Amino acid sequence: NAGVTQTPKFRVLKTGQSMTLLCAQDMNHEYMYWYRQDPGMGLRLIHYSVGEGTTAKGEVPDGYNVSRLKKQNFLLGLESAAPSQTSVYFCASSYSETSGASHEQYFGPGTRLTVT
Amino acid sequence: RKEVEQDPGPFNVPEGATVAFNCTYSNSASQSFFWYRQDCRKEPKLLMSVYSSGNEDGRFTAQLNRASQYISLLIRDSKLSDSATYLCVPDYTGRRALTFGSGTRLQVQP
Repeated sequence: NAGVTQTPKFRVLKTGQSMTLLCAQDMNHEYMYWYRQDPGMGLRLIHYSVGEGTTAKGEVPDGYNVSRLKKQNFLLGLESAAPSQTSVYFCASSYSETSGASHEQYFGPGTRLTVT
Repeated sequence: RKEVEQDPGPFNVPEGATVAFNCTYSNSASQSFFWYRQDCRKEPKLLMSVYSSGNEDGRFTAQLNRASQYISLLIRDSKLSDSATYLCVPDYTGRRALTFGSGTRLQVQP
């Protein structure tokens, strides 16, 4: 049981390049999330998904796209990277009640992205 | 007003000390709370869930005061390995995502 895994662990991009970050979970969780964390700051929610085939915007969605084609995977895409997107990206997942309420989230180890 | 307010610290304490952090929240709709710890440049990890008035796990005790709208985390017999940032996270009814603040930084010194 690996929990939440993220690929890659590190990446350096040039401005304008694109990339996809992959998050996978093996806990059969319905909900998945993408956050970014800048130095000295808290986590900020980018996008989230409450089930396969569904996505929703979080607090800071601009410049990012996501897809949830399979329940266990949640992809975060940067179409045209900018230096302001230099950050650590964390993926998380949680189970949910039938009411839709979420519960504690479990995080992946993060992806450190630098955009030059 | 922020949903959650925590003293950013740092709290510098010697090994073996008892330290307490408070977290005040503004939305009384929060059903439960989580305490996460985050080590430098690592992912947040769930430390404790608090669904009623409190919870205890070894050296860690969380107490929830709904009337005054705060939750505290008490760490007894601090270890060097307790050095981390502690995040207080409310779980609101009907919300599908948690909101994380910047937390309180603890530095345990030898």
